[in-house]
Amino acid sequence: GESVGLHLPTLSVQEGDNSIINCAYSNSASDYFIWYKQESGKGPQFIIDIRSNMDKRQGQRVTVLLNKTVKHLSLQIAATQPGDSAVYFCAENSGGSNYKLTFGKGTLLTVNP
Amino acid sequence: EAGVAQSPRYKIIEKRQSVAFWCNPISGHATLYWYQQILGQGPKLLIQFQNNGVVDDSQLPKDRFSAERLKGVDSTLKIQPAKLEDSAVYLCASSLVDREYTQYFGPGTRLTVL
Repeated sequence: GESVGLHLPTLSVQEGDNSIINCAYSNSASDYFIWYKQESGKGPQFIIDIRSNMDKRQGQRVTVLLNKTVKHLSLQIAATQPGDSAVYFCAENSGGSNYKLTFGKGTLLTVNP
Repeated sequence: EAGVAQSPRYKIIEKRQSVAFWCNPISGHATLYWYQQILGQGPKLLIQFQNNGVVDDSQLPKDRFSAERLKGVDSTLKIQPAKLEDSAVYLCASSLVDREYTQYFGPGTRLTVL
């Protein structure tokens, strides 16, 4: 849902279900996108990336989809586990070869056992 | 391989006081970044160094924030004087030159300004 002020969008799923986290990016010229996972008290951790010349990329249990027409990015996590509980951020590169990352606001994923 | 180190992990100060944060990047990483992460938001880039030179400091509030990386390795970020709105987590990240698309983040320093 929409985030207002300090309230992060949240997603609550049952262990074993698939999770889909969405992100709208702002710059149509962005050429590179990354999903990060941030656990409480830690810095962001790289999950998966995708370049603008692709529309899908798969990793281990994760898939990123890119829709440039509507400037939308999604992260799919298969068979979600309690260890996946964290805040997930999408980031776009708006700096060309300088790789200046602009982060979205994040989504809090809670996995219920 | 050791990750990005930051200290202190937590700091509480009164407004108008000064504070400094320290970062030691991953060995061999020439590019170093400082980000500010306000509660509930994504990190925002403050400054980017390559070796000891500044690549981008367009979002650094230069009237109160300063950063240096004198020998091209460790870096310090200073706030003087601090304001209430500076309360945030300050993250340091590093990357290899020509691989800036892969940034490794430290655990951050949580600053509370009272």
